[in-house]
Amino acid sequence: QVQLQESGPGLVKPSETLSLTCTVSGGSISTYYWSWIRQPPGKGLEWIGYIYYSGSTKYNPSLKSRVTISLDTSKNQFSLELSSVTAADTAVYYCARNLELDCWGQGTLVTVSS
Amino acid sequence: DIVMTQSPDSLAVSLGERATINCKSSQTVLLSSNNKNYLAWYQQKPGQPPKLLIYWASTRESGVPDRFSGSGSGTDFTLTISSLQAEDVAVYYCQQYFGTSYTFGQGTKLEIK
Repeated sequence: QVQLQESGPGLVKPSETLSLTCTVSGGSISTYYWSWIRQPPGKGLEWIGYIYYSGSTKYNPSLKSRVTISLDTSKNQFSLELSSVTAADTAVYYCARNLELDCWGQGTLVTVSS
Repeated sequence: DIVMTQSPDSLAVSLGERATINCKSSQTVLLSSNNKNYLAWYQQKPGQPPKLLIYWASTRESGVPDRFSGSGSGTDFTLTISSLQAEDVAVYYCQQYFGTSYTFGQGTKLEIK
């Protein structure tokens, strides 16, 4: 059974870059779409973007100028970078599989604060 | 962006009764070439990630109880829980994965009456 686990710093300073990694276990990352979604505390879900196993990407237009999603097949991981963060980027960040998001990580809270 | 609007925002239903949540998209999410609606439903309980219930608007994910069903096409969709159980208390989200950005509804909080 495929499992996903997010990892990365829980605290990021304003104007810096948020970097998270999702490790996929129990299956190969060399297929499917791999997505990032976030949820500000007490609020709804926001889709950030995906990377296909071939390397093609699609991003939320509202975040596109600041987002990069990449893939490391040798480590069975994919990553998220979000630059120039502000307090509005404080959220639980989830990684998930596929366009219909059929498998999710547990999420990791990232707080943007000085 | 395609805007997804759910109704109601919150809902209280008695145990064993039917619960119905609606989701309306600002544009169609039906791809005519394959006749598929790019619409999913999720259940999120406190402190947990969302869980996929329904995809392609009406296909139940493996392991999801058959009291959960999805219907609709084009721009109007419904999630129905035929007989509410205590463990169904959660927030439910619809999501389209058709447009340039894969947007979610604002969520519907389901409680026991």
